[in-house]
Amino acid sequence: QVQLVQSGAEVKKPGASVKVSCKASGYTFTSYDVNWVRQASGQGLEWMGWMNPRSGQKGYTQKFQGRVTVTGDNSISTAYMELSSLRPDDTAVYYCARVPTYCSDTSCYASFDVWGQGTTVTVSS
Amino acid sequence: DIQMTQSPSSLSASVGDRVTITCRASQSIGKYLSWYQQKPGKAPKLLIFAASTLQSGVPSRFSGSGSGTDFSLSISSLQAEDFATYYCLQTYTSPRAFGQGTRLDIK
Repeated sequence: QVQLVQSGAEVKKPGASVKVSCKASGYTFTSYDVNWVRQASGQGLEWMGWMNPRSGQKGYTQKFQGRVTVTGDNSISTAYMELSSLRPDDTAVYYCARVPTYCSDTSCYASFDVWGQGTTVTVSS
Repeated sequence: DIQMTQSPSSLSASVGDRVTITCRASQSIGKYLSWYQQKPGKAPKLLIFAASTLQSGVPSRFSGSGSGTDFSLSISSLQAEDFATYYCLQTYTSPRAFGQGTRLDIK
């Protein structure tokens, strides 16, 4: 079945970096964008960035520009999200999501149809 | 950047009730809106995409409507498993943006 399996929980000190992996199975990895979303405890969902595995095109929200990098290794169907210069307020669950596009007669609509299980990143001294 | 505002922030209802959650975009986004359900400790689940298209496998008691700036998610007859937090998401442009969420709990 289609699934995204993320790497395990991480504990990091302020100023360090973390790299979360997201391994896809059950579908052709290069056929769909991968997006990254995070959620602090008790808070809402926050979109971070995206990557197209086939073209390598990527983008990030301004809030994380310069600190976040999303990459992919198509040979192992895995996407990565690296966040640097970690701060305590980066403590959150990080999710990857597959993003297919549904096209009607006139428009194409993206949605986040399959999600990873989430990776808890804790930043604490 | 486009801002998404959901209302209400929380809602109490009973099994069998009909409930509606709204989502407003700060500018027109056509039908580039999807809805998600999230239960505690779980990843979000896609319910509706393109504003009104039901995702495969999602019960027909869920429905979505709207276009432009105003959207709604309705649940026609609440079941026990529907008590969760719901989010809208705009995919009209980057950066994507979620609404702040609506927590639906049992009255």
